[in-house]
Amino acid sequence: DAGITQSPRHKVTETGTPVTLRCHQTENHRYMYWYRQDPGHGLRLIHYSYGVKDTDKGEVSDGYSVSRSKTEDFLLTLESATSSQTSVYFCAISERSSSVLLEFFGPGTRLTVL
Amino acid sequence: DQQVKQNSPSLSVQEGRISILNCDYTNSMFDYFLWYKKYPAEGPTFLISISSIKDKNEDGRFTVFLNKSAKHLSLHIVPSQPGDSAVYFCAAHSNTGNQFYFGTGTSLTVIP
Repeated sequence: DAGITQSPRHKVTETGTPVTLRCHQTENHRYMYWYRQDPGHGLRLIHYSYGVKDTDKGEVSDGYSVSRSKTEDFLLTLESATSSQTSVYFCAISERSSSVLLEFFGPGTRLTVL
Repeated sequence: DQQVKQNSPSLSVQEGRISILNCDYTNSMFDYFLWYKKYPAEGPTFLISISSIKDKNEDGRFTVFLNKSAKHLSLHIVPSQPGDSAVYFCAAHSNTGNQFYFGTGTSLTVIP
């Protein structure tokens, strides 16, 4: 499972409040990703990181920011949560080994914005 | 615009038979393609990947076929088992930005 943990695993919050989700990995992977999964949309990339303090936007980045101050931690922040951000959020890492590309996911965080 | 498409939302197969899951893509610059299995309340689990320079990759009961001219890939599971019942996602990797693009998933049910 590439040593990926996410916290919290579940969160209920109110519209307008800030929320931070944490992704932690133990194997020094360079690339980390945040996705959201919604019915009918599969997994959509929010932001990704290619190193400490190096991040870039994905397909659905509006309303989200990220930070990566250490290799092992990638934080996703909703500055002012909205009901449209109710979703399941997954963190992932990728690694390349012997011309094989792999991507591993964390267990997910279920966020409900009331 | 969806760059990776899985046009079948669901598939039912008898135990022991072959399951074939399909995926289409639009960007000829994708360099890797991946398949994942996902159970409810869990993260996706990596199954198998294939480089764009190959047309087949096999791992146990799972085989992925890539047809670049048709921009189509498929995952074959033989023989299918009830434990294979899950949602299957295909994904494509772009070397530009090292991003992955996912299909919307196919729910496979293997009937005992």
